[in-house]
Amino acid sequence: AQKITQTQPGMFVQEKEAVTLDCTYDTSDPSYGLFWYKQPSSGEMIFLIYQGSYDQQNATEGRYSLNFQKARKSANLVISASQLGDSAMYFCAMRANAGGTSYGKLTFGQGTILTVHP
Amino acid sequence: DAGITQSPRHKVTETGTPVTLRCHQTENHRYMYWYRQDPGHGLRLIHYSYGVKDTDKGEVSDGYSVSRSKTEDFLLTLESATSSQTSVYFCAISAPTGGLAFFGQGTRLTVV
Repeated sequence: AQKITQTQPGMFVQEKEAVTLDCTYDTSDPSYGLFWYKQPSSGEMIFLIYQGSYDQQNATEGRYSLNFQKARKSANLVISASQLGDSAMYFCAMRANAGGTSYGKLTFGQGTILTVHP
Repeated sequence: DAGITQSPRHKVTETGTPVTLRCHQTENHRYMYWYRQDPGHGLRLIHYSYGVKDTDKGEVSDGYSVSRSKTEDFLLTLESATSSQTSVYFCAISAPTGGLAFFGQGTRLTVV
């Protein structure tokens, strides 16, 4: 079974500072992928970053980086130099990759609301 | 933008009526998903498909059925809508590996 846990219902950060959003996961699949999405108040789901379970390096996409610690089963999102436009809900998700028994199941955490203060 | 569209975008329906939501993709991705999003519950998986005619239940599948007769379309049916099914419904598509996993715009369904 897959499980994603985001323990921070809400986070606050000052503009231009860095912030880490926590995500832990549990799975029995040998190969999986970890995703982060942003959902602004307008409601759309915006893909931010992806990390494969066999990737050696932590993923980075601009100001976003994923701190992947496989042994600890954590996949934290780090946003550097926060901007006011980063205020949104953030979701962590896990997908069972091909070859496992979960056939691509994509499961989400409960989300973290990030508020960036000027 | 990823080629994924949901229809309708908004719908109001009466309790007890059947409702079908459609998700259409032009990306030829193997996996398709239906979620519902409610305040305080995040995104909950209703059903997903890992190929044509291959579907499986998610965590909140009661009261919902799905069909996928071709790669590009994934239909979600509420056989007899109830007020508890008032929600925002999202469709998503994904490749079997890699970072390709994208969402539709969402459908706001209100059951009165």
